Amino acid sequence: AQSVAQPEDQVNVAEGNPLTVKCTYSVSGNPYLFWYVQYPNRGLQFLLKYITGDNLVKGSYGFEAEFNKSQTSFHLKKPSALVSDSALYFCAVRDYDNQGGKLIFGQGTELSVKP
Amino acid sequence: DTGVSQNPRHKITKRGQNVTFRCDPISEHNRLYWYRQTLGQGPEFLTYFQNEAQLEKSRLLSDRFSAERPKGSFSTLEIQRTEQGDSAMYLCASSQQGSSNQPQHFGDGTRLSIL
Repeated sequence: AQSVAQPEDQVNVAEGNPLTVKCTYSVSGNPYLFWYVQYPNRGLQFLLKYITGDNLVKGSYGFEAEFNKSQTSFHLKKPSALVSDSALYFCAVRDYDNQGGKLIFGQGTELSVKP
Repeated sequence: DTGVSQNPRHKITKRGQNVTFRCDPISEHNRLYWYRQTLGQGPEFLTYFQNEAQLEKSRLLSDRFSAERPKGSFSTLEIQRTEQGDSAMYLCASSQQGSSNQPQHFGDGTRLSIL
């Protein structure tokens, strides 16, 4: 069975500093990985995905993620954090055994960026 | 805005009542998903449609839950005889067929509160 783990419930960074939100995964085949962001009382917004190709994936709002197959990780990064980046971040993996492409989500990491 | 639309945004009801939620996907998307998100957790898959066909249902979807997508466009999710444990955010997402690697686009959800 596929699974995703986000080991940190909360990440705190100062504005202007780099940020990393961690994600590890377990899949039975090739991983299809996604990052989403959720603001209070809103749905999830797609940030980026890894399907194949370059291990460094660039996405929306200056975010990027690094795929590491040997460590089964897909960490989200941003070189310079903004206060407006404060939100809940979810890593997800496509259920490989499912033709419909349903997503399996981690529990989420709350990012807090202080001025 | 032509994103995924969900109505109502909030629903408060007494235990034992029936509730129905509506989701309007992005118009060219033929896949539609329902997820449930409880506080502090990531979204959990409930069910999935391809056009009007409901192709998968999670074990989370008890007999009190029913979903339809009669013309392959909008979808409804009904909960009968609501229970306290049904309190959650219900999220709808849509994507385009062709590849299960297409990102799912989420609506802002319907928050259900059971009194």
